[in-house]
This record gives sequence, C-alpha cells and structure tokens, in this order.
Amino acid sequence: DAGVTQSPTHLIKTRGQQVTLRCSPKSGHDTVSWYQQALGQGPQFIFQYYEEEERQRGNFPDRFSGHQFPNYSSELNVNALLLGDSALYLCASSSLRRGYGYTFGSGTRLTVV
Amino acid sequence: AQTVTQSQPEMSVQEAETVTLSCTYDTSESDYYLFWYKQPPSRQMILVIRQEAYKQQNATENRFSVNFQKAAKSFSLKISDSQLGDAAMYFCAYSNYQLIWGAGTKLIIKP
Repeated sequence: DAGVTQSPTHLIKTRGQQVTLRCSPKSGHDTVSWYQQALGQGPQFIFQYYEEEERQRGNFPDRFSGHQFPNYSSELNVNALLLGDSALYLCASSSLRRGYGYTFGSGTRLTVV
Repeated sequence: AQTVTQSQPEMSVQEAETVTLSCTYDTSESDYYLFWYKQPPSRQMILVIRQEAYKQQNATENRFSVNFQKAAKSFSLKISDSQLGDAAMYFCAYSNYQLIWGAGTKLIIKP
C-alpha cells in the first residue's frame, strides 16, 4: 500500500519564477492538504482539495494555487516566487469517510535564490 | 481562531527514562481531534498518537500515551522507556477540518 508520494524532493528556483509541486495521495484517500513549513517552525496550512475543488484555504496569497485531478493527485503552484517562499512543502492525504487520519509525504524542499 | 502552543522548545531525557511533552490549545469547538506527530531528520511527519475530543479515555500507543484534559485544553504526550530512535521534533496539532500546529519540541535522547 503506497503512502503519499511527493515530487520533486528538492528544488532551487530564482526569485520571480514559478514552481509546481506534485503529490500522489495514499491509496484509498480522496482529500489532499498542503502545508508550508519554514525552517524551525511548525507547518502552516495552505489549502485542502476534495472532489477536485478547494474546500478550505489558509492565510496565503493568491500566488499560491492548486489543483486536484480525478485520480485524487494534486499540484501546488506558486507564482512570482519570493525569497520568503523558501520552505519545506508537505502534502497530506486523508479520507473524509474515515475521519481525520492524515498521512504525510516526505515533502519538497524549495529554495528560492 | 484556534491556536496550539508548545512551550518547550527542547527537552532531553536519558535513554530508558520517561519524558512528558506539553501542549495547550485554544478553541471554541466541542468536536475536534488532537494529534502528536514526530518529524525525524528525514522530514516525514509520522503520526504518534491521536485523541478524539469526545472520548474521555486517554489514548495510548505502546510506549506513548497522552494526558488529555479537555476543560483545561491541555494535551501532553508521555513517552515511556525512551529509545534513541525517539529523538526527533515532536509537533502537537489540532484538527477540525485542517491541522493547526504548535511550534514543536525537539526531543534529545541521551545514551
């Protein structure tokens, strides 16, 4: 039973560029949430996708957008990258039918230079 | 807005001894979940233990147990018989529909 898969594992981008991060949820899960974790801090909720729609959104600017595909996989897009976007981006999958069990991927480390 | 506070940035414990990590939270909701996650240097968040707010009985998972005090909005994690592999960042998290996280506690295990 595959867990949550995120790609790429590491990424270096230049300020102003755009980036796309990808997440494949655990088998049987239909909900994907994205979190940003700055160095030395707890994660911050970006948004959550269910049935290909954004259900909830945290306090992040519109430069952060996402998408969920029919196979439940998801993408996180960040436009006009800022140095402050450098962080670990975590994807978590869950199933609303099963309550609140979250499974996390190993994250994508984004460095903006 | 819900908040989660972990007041111990770092804790250390001798191998085989017991350590307790503290967590308090603030919410006006009555139905929610609380979690402790472990994050080793590999970065992946690993679920340690989960507590449903409507259950009065404290959750336990082998060497890990919680002291859930709903009225006091407190959710501490006790690790018994600490092992070297327990060394990691530990995060307390609250969930209604999204996870709200504390700042984490770095746990050091002394051999």
